[in-house]
Amino acid sequence: KAGVTQTPRYLIKTRGQQVTLSCSPISGHRSVSWYQQTPGQGLQFLFEYFSETQRNKGNFPGRFSGRQFSNSRSEMNVSTLELGDSALYLCASSPDRVDTEAFFGQGTRLTVV
Amino acid sequence: AQSVSQHNHHVILSEAASLELGCNYSYGGTVNLFWYVQYPGQHLQLLLKYFSGDPLVKGIKGFEAEFIKSKFSFNLRKPSVQWSDTAEYFCAVGRRSNYQLIWGAGTKLIIKP
Repeated sequence: KAGVTQTPRYLIKTRGQQVTLSCSPISGHRSVSWYQQTPGQGLQFLFEYFSETQRNKGNFPGRFSGRQFSNSRSEMNVSTLELGDSALYLCASSPDRVDTEAFFGQGTRLTVV
Repeated sequence: AQSVSQHNHHVILSEAASLELGCNYSYGGTVNLFWYVQYPGQHLQLLLKYFSGDPLVKGIKGFEAEFIKSKFSFNLRKPSVQWSDTAEYFCAVGRRSNYQLIWGAGTKLIIKP
């Protein structure tokens, strides 16, 4: 069974640009959640999707958005990038709820210069 | 606001030493509790979880954790660590009333051979 796949693995962007990250969950999983990981901060919750509906959203500015497609694949978008957005962005896949068990991808390392 | 506290950001131990990593959370309702591990260069993976029942739970690789409800704690233990346990360990709490995990800041564990 294939794991969670995140693409791309690495990205370098300039301040002010926008970026789209992709996550393909484990086959059959309908819940996808996104996290921002920075050193010393742990994982900060961005949002969670289930069957194309956003069920919960963390405390991030509106520049951070996401969506989920009918095949459960998910994308997150960050517009008007800031230096502080540099982080590892992790996607987690769950059969139905992330608070029961989450399977993580390798992450996308975003560097904003 | 809900929070998860991990007591130590860095721990250095010698092989065969005993390990205990602390985790406390602030939410008073019903929770699911997790420990995840991130080995160098690898994705986050589940060590163990607690939903209900016996408060002493056993996970992979000889790890165990004890839930103490009165102390809002879920401490991770291992009687004898190995060099291969070098990793970052994260405690996470899932509230059953919403769809997210709240994470501690992580503890970097270094085992000296």
